Amino acid sequence: EAGVAQSPRYKIIEKRQSVAFWCNPISGHATLYWYQQILGQGPKLLIQFQNNGVVDDSQLPKDRFSAERLKGVDSTLKIQPAKLEDSAVYLCASSSPTAYGEQFFGPGTRLTVL
Amino acid sequence: GNSVTQMEGPVTLSEEAFLTINCTYTATGYPSLFWYVQYPGEGLQLLLKATKADDKGSNKGFEATYRKETTSFHLEKGSVQVSDSAVYFCALRRGGADGLTFGKGTHLIIQP
Repeated sequence: EAGVAQSPRYKIIEKRQSVAFWCNPISGHATLYWYQQILGQGPKLLIQFQNNGVVDDSQLPKDRFSAERLKGVDSTLKIQPAKLEDSAVYLCASSSPTAYGEQFFGPGTRLTVL
Repeated sequence: GNSVTQMEGPVTLSEEAFLTINCTYTATGYPSLFWYVQYPGEGLQLLLKATKADDKGSNKGFEATYRKETTSFHLEKGSVQVSDSAVYFCALRRGGADGLTFGKGTHLIIQP
């Protein structure tokens, strides 16, 4: 079974520019998560989707971050405008509908903001 | 709110040594507990989990027991190998499909 796919793998931008990340979850996984992992820290949940609806976005900085999951499959996470402190690895994960379903993580996108 | 605290690294051990990585948590209710591992150049992988008090999760020789009375989920392995070198993350989840709350991670280095 194919894993969670993310692109791009690396991105370098200057502050105040915009950037978008893409995630394709494992087929059939209804729940999709975006995490931010700053160097030296554990991943922090940004937003959780159930199908194409938002379940939890309490830690998403909504003044600059946005995310969508059209048709309940692929998802995009956007930052506009980027700040230096947004430099991090952005991880996408998905899980199956079963209770206590394991979360499977993608390889991540490493963002560097200069 | 929910939080996870794990021992700071790096932890450096010789091959065949006994490993313990401490993890304690703060959460309301009865969370599920996890250990994830990130090998060099690879993504996060689930190592083991426990969903209720006194459960023991185990995988690849690693074990951790869910201790509600001490709010702990320490990771142990009796004899580590060089291939166990990685970053280990303790995490909790309140509900069945909720997002995970992670600790900061512990970098483990095993020397031959």
